[in-house]
Formats: sequence, C-alpha cells, structure tokens
Amino acid sequence: NAGVTQTPKFQVLKTGQSMTLQCAQDMNHEYMSWYRQDPGMGLRLIHYSVGAGITDQGEVPNGYNVSRSTTEDFPLRLLSAAPSQTSVYFCASSFSTQDSGTAITEAFFGQGTRLTVV
Amino acid sequence: LAKTTQPISMDSYEGQEVNITCSHNNIATNDYITWYQQFPSQGPRFIIQGYKTKVTNEVASLFIPADRKSSTLSLPRVSLSDTAVYYCLVGRSGNTGKLIFGQGTTLQVKP
Repeated sequence: NAGVTQTPKFQVLKTGQSMTLQCAQDMNHEYMSWYRQDPGMGLRLIHYSVGAGITDQGEVPNGYNVSRSTTEDFPLRLLSAAPSQTSVYFCASSFSTQDSGTAITEAFFGQGTRLTVV
Repeated sequence: LAKTTQPISMDSYEGQEVNITCSHNNIATNDYITWYQQFPSQGPRFIIQGYKTKVTNEVASLFIPADRKSSTLSLPRVSLSDTAVYYCLVGRSGNTGKLIFGQGTTLQVKP
C-alpha cells in the first residue's frame, strides 16, 4: 500500500513550457486535491475532485488544468509555465468514515513535487 | 468555509505540554475542526479531528468549548521531533476534497 505517490519529485522548466505532474493513490479514496506551497506559506488549494469525472476549482486555479478519468489518478497540468508557478506541489486524497457515531475525515498527502520555472 | 486564526509561532521546551489555540468565529453548524502537522519538505499529516467537547488520541487532545468558536490542540510532553507547523482547518465533513489551509503555527521545541 503505497498511499499517495507523486512524480516527479523535482522538475525544472523553462518559461512557456508545459508539463504534467502525476498523482496516484491506491487507497480507493473518492476525493483528491492539488495544493501549492510557497516558501514560508501555508498550502493553497488549486483544484479538487469529488470523484472520477468530477473536478472543481480551488483558491488558485489559474494556469492549471486537471482531469480525473479514474479513481486512482489525478494529474495536474501546467499549460504554459511561469516563474510565479515555482513552488512545491502536494497532492492529497481523502475519505470519510464513522468513529463511534462521529464522522471522521482524513486526508493523506504525497511527498510533494518541487518545481522551479526559470 | 470558516476562516481560522492561529498564532504564527510558538516556542517550547522538551517535556512541556503545548497548547495551540485556533479561533474560528464563523464556524457553521455542520463544520468539523481538524488539525494537521507538517514537517519540513513533507506533506501535512492528519493529527486529530473533532466536533465538540474533547477528543483524544495517541498523539494529541483537542478541546472545543460549547460555543465552538475556538479550539485548542494540546500536545503532551513534546520532544524535539514535534518541531513542525500545525494547521487548524474548519469545514464540513462532506467537503473532504476542499481543505483550506491557513498559515499555520510554527512550533519550535528546544532542548
């Protein structure tokens, strides 16, 4: 059980290039999401998905596209990379369950992709 | 989603109990309170979640007063390895794909 796997771990892009950050989870979680984290800052939500075929925008969606064709995979595509997109990107999957009558929601995060745009 | 306010940073010493308070004045009836921990160069990790009163697990306790406008994460007898950023999140359980993080509290544990 690998959890949430992100590839690549590191990437350098030139301005204007496009690329896809991969995210896969093997926990059969319904919900998945992408975040970016700039130095010294908290995580900001880019896009999220509540199931295969369903995606929605988060706080900072501009410049990014997502798709969710399967439960397992949720790739993030940078359309035309800009230096402002230099950041660490985290993918997460989450589920809800019941614990003694109380709903518990837990998100699992990948190890991150460190992206530099020059 | 309810906005949260936490202290930017806190210092503590090994063996002490640490309490981090989060304000969420606009919490809605269906909202839960969740805390995550993040070490440098890693993704956040779930610590604890609660709706009201007190919740305890093997890692921490979460205290929520009756009006639910604030919550306190309590870490008993911290060690150097508890140095991390702690995030308080408030949102509905069904909104599991849409977690909104604030700036978090950077806890520095000193020997």
